[in-house]
Order: sequence, then C-alpha cells, then structure tokens
Amino acid sequence: AQSVTQLDSQVPVFEEAPVELRCNYSSSVSVYLFWYVQYPNQGLQLLLKYLSGSTLVKGINGFEAEFNKSQTSFHLRKPSVHISDTAEYFCAVTLRNQGGKLIFGQGTELSVKP
Amino acid sequence: EAQVTQNPRYLITVTGKKLTVTCSQNMNHEYMSWYRQDPGLGLRQIYYSMNVEVTDKGDVPEGYKVSRKEKRNFPLILESPSPNQTSLYFCASSLNTPSSYNSPLHFGNGTRLTVT
Repeated sequence: AQSVTQLDSQVPVFEEAPVELRCNYSSSVSVYLFWYVQYPNQGLQLLLKYLSGSTLVKGINGFEAEFNKSQTSFHLRKPSVHISDTAEYFCAVTLRNQGGKLIFGQGTELSVKP
Repeated sequence: EAQVTQNPRYLITVTGKKLTVTCSQNMNHEYMSWYRQDPGLGLRQIYYSMNVEVTDKGDVPEGYKVSRKEKRNFPLILESPSPNQTSLYFCASSLNTPSSYNSPLHFGNGTRLTVT
C-alpha cells in the first residue's frame, strides 16, 4: 500500500529566506503527487501537482516541487518566503488510475518570522 | 461561485446523540470524500463516493455512515458519537476520482466537532 511521510512537522524560517518542505512516498506503481496548503481556519487548497512530464512542477504563490522517482521524493521549495506563506502544508499521493483513495502525509507547519 | 459547502462549521454534542454533517458541491463532481484531521496524523479518509449510490470505506470508517442519494450531496452521519470522534472534518469533491488525470480535490472549510 502507498504511504506518505513528511519529514518535518514544523519548519520555522525568516522572511525572504528559502525553504524546502520534504515529502517521501512509498509505492510500487506509478503515482500522482500533490501539495496542498491549509491557511488558518480554512480548508485545503491545491498548491501544485505532478501528473506526468517535466519533473519540476510550478505552482501558485511562487512554490515549486521536484519529482524524484529514484528517491521517491516530492520536495516543495520556495526561494524567498513571505509572512503570508505561514500555513500548514500537506503532501498527498494517489495511484494512477486505481480508484478513489488519496493518501495524505502528516503535514508540515511552516512558520515565517519577520 | 464553485464551492464545497459544509454545515455546521462548529458542533458540540454529547456522547450517543446522533448527528449529521452536511456537504454539498455545485460543480457537478462525481467524486466526493470525507476526511478527518487530527494533530500529528494529517488527514485520514473516512468514506468516499465515486458516484450516486456508490460509496466505499476509507482508512477510518468505524463509527461513521454516509449516503449518496444525489450527486451534489454527501452527508456524514455519526449514529452514536464518542469522544474519540472529536476532530476537524473536511468534505472534498473532484470531477473524477483523484487517481484520474488532472482531477484535483476541492475542499470545504471544515466542521469542528467536539463530543463530550
């Protein structure tokens, strides 16, 4: 069965610093990968997705992620964060064309300090 | 506006008192799902539905029921709530299943349930 591990539960950074949120998955078959963001007291919004093609995926708000099949990773990056990026970020995986399950990681709290 | 609407946003109840959390989407999506969010555990899937009258268990279905009698609605029913069901619940929908190409989930704003 597939699973998702987000390696950091909390990531504090200063404003304008770069950030990387790490995500590893386990699956023996092809997958689709997603990053979602949850701002305080809100539902989740799609940040970006990897379906196929280029392994570098660009999303909203200046975020990008790189799919690395050999390392089964899908790390999220932003070169310069803002206070408004403070939120919880979730990595998620689903098996290609195999039903209705979307598995989420445990979440990473990004805290951007001035 | 395209959206997933959950009600209520907040609910406090007592052990054993049946309750229903409603979920409605206006995007004609086929797929709908319920998740619960608990600190340190991320989101765990409770039930999902791939179309009208088609529902399946997720990873944590015990103590919950769902129904999908019409496409837009997917209520979550707790027949006899217990304190371990205190959580933040999210409903989500997508055009097709999440494993279909380019069918991302759209989430409601959540229902915070407290069972005493």
